[in-house]
Amino acid sequence: KNQVEQSPQSLIILEGKNCTLQCNYTVSPFSNLRWYKQDTGRGPVSLTIMTFSENTKSNGRYTATLDADTKQSSLHITASQLSDSASYICVVSLYNTDKLIFGTGTRLQVFP
Amino acid sequence: DGGITQSPKYLFRKEGQNVTLSCEQNLNHDAMYWYRQDPGQGLRLIYYSQIVNDFQKGDIAEGYSVSREKKESFPLTVTSAQKNPTAFYLCASKWGNQPQHFGDGTRLSIL
Repeated sequence: KNQVEQSPQSLIILEGKNCTLQCNYTVSPFSNLRWYKQDTGRGPVSLTIMTFSENTKSNGRYTATLDADTKQSSLHITASQLSDSASYICVVSLYNTDKLIFGTGTRLQVFP
Repeated sequence: DGGITQSPKYLFRKEGQNVTLSCEQNLNHDAMYWYRQDPGQGLRLIYYSQIVNDFQKGDIAEGYSVSREKKESFPLTVTSAQKNPTAFYLCASKWGNQPQHFGDGTRLSIL
């Protein structure tokens, strides 16, 4: 069964600290993996997208990694800010289809 | 600015009533999608359309209907057959292999 699992479910950190969110997937055939940020009451916004051959992609303070062999991805946030408080969703795309498999997200709260 | 506009932001439905959620995009994207988001669950695909006048059922289409008469518009009707309609509904569009671009959602509640 195609699944995307994220951990932890929720995370609280202090402003300025770093954190890492995890994503494990059992999706086949794999096309690409995306990380989205979703603010409360808003739609998800794309942060990064990685194909099979890419193992790291950065977008400002966000760095995503992909290990296609172990089917794991991580999203590292450096020097967190209050505006990083949001849900982060890992999404895997099936090869040669329009189908996306969504994780349930990690809820991050950054406190001053 | 180009983007996706969903309206209304909040919607209330009475028992036995059909309601229609609006989704308009000015990105000139061919493909459009409707998702449902429930607490603790990943987004689930309701319907999608890859071209005008054509649409396909997603994973949870029962109790929903759509139309795609114009490229920029993809309204979703939640019918009375949908027994658990309370959720956050997200519309998305995309062009080619680019990531899907989402609207800001409509929250539907039952009175």
